[in-house]
Amino acid sequence: DVKVTQSSRYLVKRTGEKVFLECVQDMDHENMFWYRQDPGLGLRLIYFSYDVKMKEKGDIPEGYSVSREKKERFSLILESASTNQTSMYLCASSQTPDSPDTQYFGPGTRLTVL
Amino acid sequence: AQTVTQSQPEMSVQEAETVTLSCTYDTSESDYYLFWYKQPPSRQMILVIRQEAYKQQNATENRFSVNFQKAAKSFSLKISDSQLGDAAMYFCAYRSYNTDKLIFGTGTRLQVFP
Repeated sequence: DVKVTQSSRYLVKRTGEKVFLECVQDMDHENMFWYRQDPGLGLRLIYFSYDVKMKEKGDIPEGYSVSREKKERFSLILESASTNQTSMYLCASSQTPDSPDTQYFGPGTRLTVL
Repeated sequence: AQTVTQSQPEMSVQEAETVTLSCTYDTSESDYYLFWYKQPPSRQMILVIRQEAYKQQNATENRFSVNFQKAAKSFSLKISDSQLGDAAMYFCAYRSYNTDKLIFGTGTRLQVFP
C-alpha cells in the first residue's frame, strides 16, 4: 500500500513566520505535488516535482516555494506566512506519466495563520 | 486550458438508494483520463474510479459506476445501494494523457441519511 504522510495534521502560525510543511512517500514515486484546498474552490495545484531537485510551478505558486532534496520528501515553504494562506494543504505522489496511474494523497495539514 | 465543473455543491441520498453526481469538463484534447476521488471527513483523499477517454465502456467498481459521454464532455458518478460510509466530498478530476497534473472540480458534498 502506498503511504503518503504529512508532518502535521494541524498547525497554527503567526503572520510573517516562515512555515515548513513536510511530505514523505514510501513508494519510490517520481512525482510529488502540493495542493491547497479551500471551500468552493476545490483543490488547486501550488507546485509539483517530477524528480529530485526539479520543480515546476502550478496554478497558484505565489507566496510559496518548495524543496525536493530526496526522492521521497517534498517540502512546501511559506517564506512569510499571511492570513490568506490559511487553508488545508494536501500532498500527493504518483508514478511516471506514462502509466495511467493515479495520485495518492496524504491526510492533509490544516494551517491557520493568525 | 482544461476546466472541470461540478454544479452540485451538495447532494443527499437515503441509505440503500441510488445517487448520481454530475461532472462536466472542457478540453480540446482527444486523449485524457477522468477520475472521481472521495474525501471522507477524516480528509484522506482516495481514488474511487478512473476512466480512460479512449475506452467507450463505462468504468465500474463495485457499487460505483460512471456514465462517460465523451461528445457531451460529461462524466457522472453513480453510487448504487448507498451506505453511510459513502458520505464524503467527491471530486471530479481531469488529467491530460502526457502529464500527471490533475485539474479538479470544486467538489460535491454527499450526505447519506439512514
